[in-house]
Amino acid sequence: QKEVEQDPGPLSVPEGAIVSLNCTYSNSAFQYFMWYRQYSRKGPELLMYTYSSGNKEDGRFTAQVDKSSKYISLFIRDSQPSDSATYLCAMSAWRTGRRALTFGSGTRLQVQP
Amino acid sequence: IAGITQAPTSQILAAGRRMTLRCTQDMRHNAMYWYRQDLGLGLRLIHYSNTAGTTGKGEVPDGYSVSRANTDDFPLTLASAVPSQTSVYFCASSEYGQEVYEQYFGPGTRLTVT
Repeated sequence: QKEVEQDPGPLSVPEGAIVSLNCTYSNSAFQYFMWYRQYSRKGPELLMYTYSSGNKEDGRFTAQVDKSSKYISLFIRDSQPSDSATYLCAMSAWRTGRRALTFGSGTRLQVQP
Repeated sequence: IAGITQAPTSQILAAGRRMTLRCTQDMRHNAMYWYRQDLGLGLRLIHYSNTAGTTGKGEVPDGYSVSRANTDDFPLTLASAVPSQTSVYFCASSEYGQEVYEQYFGPGTRLTVT
């Protein structure tokens, strides 16, 4: 079983829709929870991060972490065609002398104009 | 500011050949990483380096080697390429420390081993 599970999609929504992206995880040692956005044929870029449980909002994006359920979400309001990308969740824990990131496999999102 | 550069952008390589993927960063980050990205498997760590002069094995190190002679450069070498090493390779860097959470990624190298 993978430490981090993420539905690969693809997820196709009309412009203006609210998008919900999710990941589940099994390792209770994870402390930082991140969302990376990856455009086609580009490297991933950090979109948002949260520490422990709770919500964090940044413009149209909201990240939620529920450590009791081992479940994280990214919500995108008023989705735009420019949001079309693959979204990777990532989680961080301190391991053998370094902080290691474990990535989900990514969810491909297509926002239709 | 370039951030992280990788070379080549793409490469087709015959099985059994030796290949070095280059990675250079200009952010003076202590830590650097090599990942491979495969469909359905996400990003998997191959090797990492916390500081210049040190390296460590990641999740999928077999068939790959790295060196870290200085802060800026972190080359990845495939000694004898096999078709299963066909993938997109990303180099990344970050500050090293307890609270590190952000890694900065290069544009990737698409490698096909035939």
